[in-house]
Amino acid sequence: GAGVSQTPSNKVTEKGKYVELRCDPISGHTALYWYRQSLGQGPEFLIYFQGTGAADDSGLPNDRFFAVRPEGSVSTLKIQRTERGDSAVYLCASSSHGTSGYNEQFFGPGTRLTVL
Amino acid sequence: GQNIDQPTEMTATEGAIVQINCTYQTSGFNGLFWYQQHAGEAPTFLSYNVLDGLEEKGRFSSFLSRSKGYSYLLLKELQMKDSASYLCAVRHDYKLSFGAGTTVTVRA
Repeated sequence: GAGVSQTPSNKVTEKGKYVELRCDPISGHTALYWYRQSLGQGPEFLIYFQGTGAADDSGLPNDRFFAVRPEGSVSTLKIQRTERGDSAVYLCASSSHGTSGYNEQFFGPGTRLTVL
Repeated sequence: GQNIDQPTEMTATEGAIVQINCTYQTSGFNGLFWYQQHAGEAPTFLSYNVLDGLEEKGRFSSFLSRSKGYSYLLLKELQMKDSASYLCAVRHDYKLSFGAGTTVTVRA
């Protein structure tokens, strides 16, 4: 079956611009996560959705970052007034439920964001 | 806070065994995952430990000691395709906290 997909795979933008990154989770997965991975580092948690609501957005670095999941499936991560320090790979993951059981998270291929 | 440590790099010969250690100090614990990540690709699940002991899955095994805050991933009969980064991740509720990853290079 289809895995987690993310678009675009690469995004180059200029400092100060607005970007949107899209994640399409595995069908039926209620839990969705966004992570950010800088070069040579492990993924860093940003936000967690259970259904349509953001259950935990404590990892978002500041108010320039915002994410939505209006219908409980596709999610969009939005970054306003991008800065060079935002350059990283943004990973999306989904799982069948959030807090109980095995709860393996399946990751998408990521969007590589470069802010010039 | 979360503190998850693993070696930065390891090199081994094709056919050999390599053990990647991970130590953690975290505010909560609901299990430990190991993921494999090839360059430019998504992390893929390898193993999950929630109780102490060894979990074996083919050429890969993972061990956990909760009292010591310690895990290792054992890769046997190394193949060239095993060259990748290996990420240790601790789960607390729904959230995964990752180490920086260990880059394993397999040489012929």
